[in-house]
Amino acid sequence: EVELVESGGGLVQPGGSLRLSCAASGFSFSTYWMTWVRQAPGKGLEWVANIRQDGNEKKYVDSVKGRFTISRDNAQNSLYLQLNSLIAADTAIYYCARTSSITCYDYWGQGTLVTVSS
Amino acid sequence: DIVMTQSPDSLAVSLGERATINCKSSQSVLYSSNNKNQLAWYQQRPGQPPKLLIYWASTRQSGVPDRFSGSGSGTDFTLTISSLQAEDVAVYYCQQYYSAPYTFGQGTKLDIK
Repeated sequence: EVELVESGGGLVQPGGSLRLSCAASGFSFSTYWMTWVRQAPGKGLEWVANIRQDGNEKKYVDSVKGRFTISRDNAQNSLYLQLNSLIAADTAIYYCARTSSITCYDYWGQGTLVTVSS
Repeated sequence: DIVMTQSPDSLAVSLGERATINCKSSQSVLYSSNNKNQLAWYQQRPGQPPKLLIYWASTRQSGVPDRFSGSGSGTDFTLTISSLQAEDVAVYYCQQYYSAPYTFGQGTKLDIK
């Protein structure tokens, strides 16, 4: 059974940093693109970043470029998102999602909440 | 960036009746190399992560009930629930995966009338 479990969220002050993790199981992690999607409280979904199977191609939404870094460790079946220079607008539930071969998201984790506030 | 616009923002439908949600993209999401629309629909029930319902605009994901159907091409798409069930109360999102950033519509909240 495919499972994605996010962790690492919490309360952080503006300008601070967090590292989110996503532990994957039940599928061959190294053969899939992976994605982070976020959802601000009471709002819609926003695609944040994705990463190719080998980690050598990454894409980001403009609003996080230069502040967030997506990475993966295929030996550990884990996906990461480093969040730096956080601002209030980054407050959201962050979901990791498996990217199917047709580039949409067929499995999602339960999400981890990041709150940026002083 | 491709802008995805859904309509309506919310709707209420009686149990057993048809529900229709529309999605319009600011440019075509038809991928010429495979002649497939790079458009997906997701369902998000309260307190849950999104769930993939439809991809390529009209192909149901495995395990999705056949009362859910998708149609459309190019820039205009529709999600139809043929006979609304209580468990279909949710927010529905369309998403284009034609080009990054892979944008979502703003969501349509579906309730029971």
